Amino acid sequence: GDSVTQMEGPVTLSEEAFLTINCTYTATGYPSLFWYVQYPGEGLQLLLKATKADDKGSNKGFEATYRKETTSFHLEKGSVQVSDSAVYFCALWTFEGASKIIFGSGTRLSIRP
Amino acid sequence: KAGVTQTPRYLIKTRGQQVTLSCSPISGHRSVSWYQQTPGQGLQFLFEYFSETQRNKGNFPGRFSGRQFSNSRSEMNVSTLELGDSALYLCASSLDGGGAGTGELFFGEGSRLTVL
Repeated sequence: GDSVTQMEGPVTLSEEAFLTINCTYTATGYPSLFWYVQYPGEGLQLLLKATKADDKGSNKGFEATYRKETTSFHLEKGSVQVSDSAVYFCALWTFEGASKIIFGSGTRLSIRP
Repeated sequence: KAGVTQTPRYLIKTRGQQVTLSCSPISGHRSVSWYQQTPGQGLQFLFEYFSETQRNKGNFPGRFSGRQFSNSRSEMNVSTLELGDSALYLCASSLDGGGAGTGELFFGEGSRLTVL
């Protein structure tokens, strides 16, 4: 069945470091892909999305490119800040059969000042 | 525009009791989904309601149930609570749960349930 796999955390980086959080997916058809972020004590909020192959989603300095050939949607940021400390979830939306949104297990990111 | 509102934010129950959680979606959103979040299991899908009908269901026992009202507000109920039901319960709304929309979900801040 459809699934999302993302790198295990926690990930700890120093401020201004480069960030990559890996995400790969398995899906039939052509899903849309998302990154959600959950700050401490809050619900999830959409960070960025891509709806078709080779699309690049971007927001708040974060980027991810929909790579159909490698079934990946890795999240990157060139220079992280302490305020980026949160849990990041990769997700896919598939509408093959009953539409559903599938989340990865989440990656906790901690940034040291 | 008001966001997704979940009540109560925090609650403590004892084993065997039941609990009802409420979710008010963003105005105009017809789909409401519920998720359970725990440190060990991550984010797990419970069910989705659209226009008062359960459209999708996750792999949870029958003790977990929900419903949606005509104004799109939703409630979920957990009966005969177990210690393992302690979790953050998140509600999310969307225009159409992804059926014909963008797939974007808008989450509330959650209801944190502690079972003693």
